[in-house]
Amino acid sequence: DPKIIQKPKYLVAVTGSEKILICEQYLGHNAMYWYRQSAKKPLEFMFSYSYQKLMDNQTASSRFQPQSSKKNHLDLQITALKPDDSATYFCASSQEGQGTGQLYFGEGSKLTVL
Amino acid sequence: GDSVTQTEGQVALSEEDFLTIHCNYSASGYPTLFWYVQYPGEGPQLLFRASRDKEKGSSRGFEATYDKGTTSFHLRKASVQESDSAVYYCALSPDSNYQLIWGSGTKLIIKP
Repeated sequence: DPKIIQKPKYLVAVTGSEKILICEQYLGHNAMYWYRQSAKKPLEFMFSYSYQKLMDNQTASSRFQPQSSKKNHLDLQITALKPDDSATYFCASSQEGQGTGQLYFGEGSKLTVL
Repeated sequence: GDSVTQTEGQVALSEEDFLTIHCNYSASGYPTLFWYVQYPGEGPQLLFRASRDKEKGSSRGFEATYDKGTTSFHLRKASVQESDSAVYYCALSPDSNYQLIWGSGTKLIIKP
């Protein structure tokens, strides 16, 4: 059974709309992350959370907003969508910090913006 | 700043060939080095890591040795199989809480 559940697996959106990507992890980890993968940037770190607090934000745009309602949830809200936002978004978690701990990734949510 | 450079693009081999994917890093001190593998339709998963000079990481027949002298962590496998087809990422972390710094990924294609 997958330990990190991402929903939806695929989604199509129109330019200017808003979408929320869901992530739940059942590994008991304290830290969660969002990554983006596209043809332009193979694996791009976006955010890290630890105990539901934002630790690092490497996303230049405020259109990307992570939301942590529970310890094992980290959703990603994307507003005013652009075609350039088309990518696969991966949620990940770890028990320790990224640097020494093993990262566990979900299967990704593939977003296409038309 | 810190960086990782790995074999660009893709590597195409036949089954039972020897694999080398190069990974060189730039960082001060002793960063932790990682190899991750990403199979089609899945997220990346840790293959192994190493954190000290001359430490060897290994898993599933793959191995890499931390070499501070040449700042390298090359991935090798003696005999590849079709099931090894995937994208391989080298990564480093200079600090336990720092974000991982990822290489650009190398796609391994195994011709049957």
